[in-house]
Amino acid sequence: DQQVKQNSPSLSVQEGRISILNCDYTNSMFDYFLWYKKYPAEGPTFLISISSIKDKNEDGRFTVFLNKSAKHLSLHIVPSQPGDSAVYFCAASEAGNQFYFGTGTSLTVIP
Amino acid sequence: KAGVTQTPRYLIKTRGQQVTLSCSPISGHRSVSWYQQTPGQGLQFLFEYFSETQRNKGNFPGRFSGRQFSNSRSEMNVSTLELGDSALYLCASSAGPYNSPLHFGNGTRLTVT
Repeated sequence: DQQVKQNSPSLSVQEGRISILNCDYTNSMFDYFLWYKKYPAEGPTFLISISSIKDKNEDGRFTVFLNKSAKHLSLHIVPSQPGDSAVYFCAASEAGNQFYFGTGTSLTVIP
Repeated sequence: KAGVTQTPRYLIKTRGQQVTLSCSPISGHRSVSWYQQTPGQGLQFLFEYFSETQRNKGNFPGRFSGRQFSNSRSEMNVSTLELGDSALYLCASSAGPYNSPLHFGNGTRLTVT
């Protein structure tokens, strides 16, 4: 049973525009959420996190939004750059215990 | 600060054999987790260790086991390998134990023939 879902396997965006990656979860006990970026032949790289006491967290070009009532998480990348092309995973956990990952969204930023 | 180191990077084994994968966490990190990634799947949680104790275990058969040493280094063992065990095995460490991000190594690519 997939507790964390990324329903868009792929996304293409023009350079300079906004990329929005989405993630849904089913377990209302999840209170800590992460986004990772993964290049081929490398491990996932941590991007940004958010706890359930907040609804937004920013770090440079990356902003994560959390909508607890909808059990929805999104990552905004502004402006998108070609180097952002990678697979993005969202993850969720309850108090930082076992993390549940989505299946990933492949982002392509077109120059 | 050095990142998470996993060895070996690639392994080829035959069915029925066993394999041991190694992971050295970031210095000072006491929590180590293991994940399996297969094509089309997200990362599937195997187990997590904190201070040499297994804190959580995923839904994998008993052929998958692990341990953590006093220096926080961890090993994962898979016995009686099956073709379906072919995957990328990722180790992650965190400052832990709660609400700390995972930092991943580059993984061990296991191929079972």
